[in-house]
Amino acid sequence: DGGITQSPKYLFRKEGQNVTLSCEQNLNHDAMYWYRQDPGQGLRLIYYSQIVNDFQKGDIAEGYSVSREKKESFPLTVTSAQKNPTAFYLCASNRDRQETQYFGPGTRLLVL
Amino acid sequence: GEDVEQSLFLSVREGDSSVINCTYTDSSSTYLYWYKQEPGAGLQLLTYIFSNMDMKQDQRLTVLLNKKDKHLSLRIADTQTGDSAIYFCAEKTGANNLFFGTGTRLTVIP
Repeated sequence: DGGITQSPKYLFRKEGQNVTLSCEQNLNHDAMYWYRQDPGQGLRLIYYSQIVNDFQKGDIAEGYSVSREKKESFPLTVTSAQKNPTAFYLCASNRDRQETQYFGPGTRLLVL
Repeated sequence: GEDVEQSLFLSVREGDSSVINCTYTDSSSTYLYWYKQEPGAGLQLLTYIFSNMDMKQDQRLTVLLNKKDKHLSLRIADTQTGDSAIYFCAEKTGANNLFFGTGTRLTVIP
């Protein structure tokens, strides 16, 4: 089946710890995105990548880092510099930036 | 900057029509989207409309766009309990970025 997968579904972070969220797609999409969703708010763009080995900051990139070494994968690291990481994180992709974005099932990050 | 606004809550009775409204500010929007999010899940694309159209119908869904007032609506006919979810409006700007509204939580009362 073609689609976007995110893992894990739930992730717990201790204070001062970096954690990495996985996003994989087998849709042969060039562009991939990470969004953060907080209750009662819309999605906010963290980072996006239009092509392998290239990525751009979104509106709320501070405290996050990404890599794009393979077309299929766009992992997001939530660093210890992100002081309020508790949120639902959504990954999306599209064939190019002009087309409709399709979303993965999300990862909920909680701080212990 | 871009701003997309929606009401937070809507309740309707099963079988009635639901109308979810959205306003946006960026006049350079190219496409406008409606996504559905069920509890604990990702966003599912429902439908979209190109900015030079004023209406699009897809089975039970009707999208109306008033470009002059920058107002978008989603009408769901014969609303069912399975339609209960959060509905997000999103606009795509000329720079190909997507800006989302806060989402409207639709509750369908049996």
